[in-house]
Amino acid sequence: KAGVTQTPRYLIKTRGQQVTLSCSPISGHRSVSWYQQTPGQGLQFLFEYFSETQRNKGNFPGRFSGRQFSNSRSEMNVSTLELGDSALYLCASSPGGRGSWTDTQYFGPGTRLTVL
Amino acid sequence: QKEVEQDPGPLSVPEGAIVSLNCTYSNSAFQYFMWYRQYSRKGPELLMYTYSSGNKEDGRFTAQVDKSSKYISLFIRDSQPSDSATYLCAMSGAGSYQLTFGKGTKLSVIP
Repeated sequence: KAGVTQTPRYLIKTRGQQVTLSCSPISGHRSVSWYQQTPGQGLQFLFEYFSETQRNKGNFPGRFSGRQFSNSRSEMNVSTLELGDSALYLCASSPGGRGSWTDTQYFGPGTRLTVL
Repeated sequence: QKEVEQDPGPLSVPEGAIVSLNCTYSNSAFQYFMWYRQYSRKGPELLMYTYSSGNKEDGRFTAQVDKSSKYISLFIRDSQPSDSATYLCAMSGAGSYQLTFGKGTKLSVIP
């Protein structure tokens, strides 16, 4: 079974630009979560989608948004990039059914975003 | 106070040593506890998953949860150079779809 894939793997942007990152979950998984990982703050939860609906959102500004498509693929968007947005953005998928908080989350390799 | 505290290390041990990694937490609503391993330039991979208090063993790995002390541990027996990675604790509450992570402990196992 193929794992979680994320594209692109590396991205360089300048301040003020916007960026879109993509995540394809494991086949059959309907829940996709996004996390930001930085040396200073560690892994922080951004949001989680299930069946195209956002079920949970972390404490990030509105510049961070996401969506999920009917095939469970997900995208996250960051608008008006700031230097502090430089991070590894990780996507995780899980089956996401009833009682899904017990589901194992499988992480992708991440997209490394550098903002200059 | 951070919800989850984890000593970042780095921790360096000789091959064959027993490694002890720990996290403390403040949110009593956490019921599910996980340990992830992350190699450089890779995403985290799940090592151990436990619910509530108790011990769980899987090969060379043992996870312990003490909810009364809000303290979780991961023990690695007969450590190998291939265990060199960053170890992240993570936890979540019932009905929550998000994981709260520690900052990770960087482990090096020296041959």
